[in-house]
Amino acid sequence: ILNVEQSPQSLHVQEGDSTNFTCSFPSSNFYALHWYRWETAKSPEALFVMTLNGDEKKKGRISATLNTKEGYSYLYIKGSQPEDSATYLCASLDSGGGADGLTFGKGTHLIIQP
Amino acid sequence: EAQVTQNPRYLITVTGKKLTVTCSQNMNHEYMSWYRQDPGLGLRQIYYSMNVEVTDKGDVPEGYKVSRKEKRNFPLILESPSPNQTSLYFCASSLQSSYNEQFFGPGTRLTVL
Repeated sequence: ILNVEQSPQSLHVQEGDSTNFTCSFPSSNFYALHWYRWETAKSPEALFVMTLNGDEKKKGRISATLNTKEGYSYLYIKGSQPEDSATYLCASLDSGGGADGLTFGKGTHLIIQP
Repeated sequence: EAQVTQNPRYLITVTGKKLTVTCSQNMNHEYMSWYRQDPGLGLRQIYYSMNVEVTDKGDVPEGYKVSRKEKRNFPLILESPSPNQTSLYFCASSLQSSYNEQFFGPGTRLTVL
């Protein structure tokens, strides 16, 4: 089972401010890194699937970067809005065999304050 | 509408009473899996299926069974539920494998007394 860490655990951000948070994962046998957004009382929804070192992906005001050599990914939110309030999950997939499943971090709980 | 459905959404049961949580997807996805979410922990995979009649254990399979007789359905069976299986359960599907983005169902909150 991989060790996927997310920090911070929770984050309060003023509306309009930009923010970012981190996902750390084992760099050996890395295969893919997923980001999901999970709103309260809903189900997680995919934001990005990333595989290449140095890759950067963007969806509206949200973007993510990936460093597979050092084992981390950053998620950025520009100009936070109240609707960005959610828990953001990252999940890592390795190519080392075993259970063919994603290993999820515990998430970063983001609260945007008006 | 492309979706993953789960039933029931909420269930309170007693120790030892067999139950089944259904999961169905209408996206013709090959890969389906079950996760549980517990406070202070990340989503943990219970079982997964790469295709019809192909299932395998995830990280926490003890006390659960699954079947994949049809491509669209992937029920989770608890033969003899125990209180430590009280949790929030998610079914997910994807195009081919865990590499692809996962589409999650709405979740089933299970309480075992």
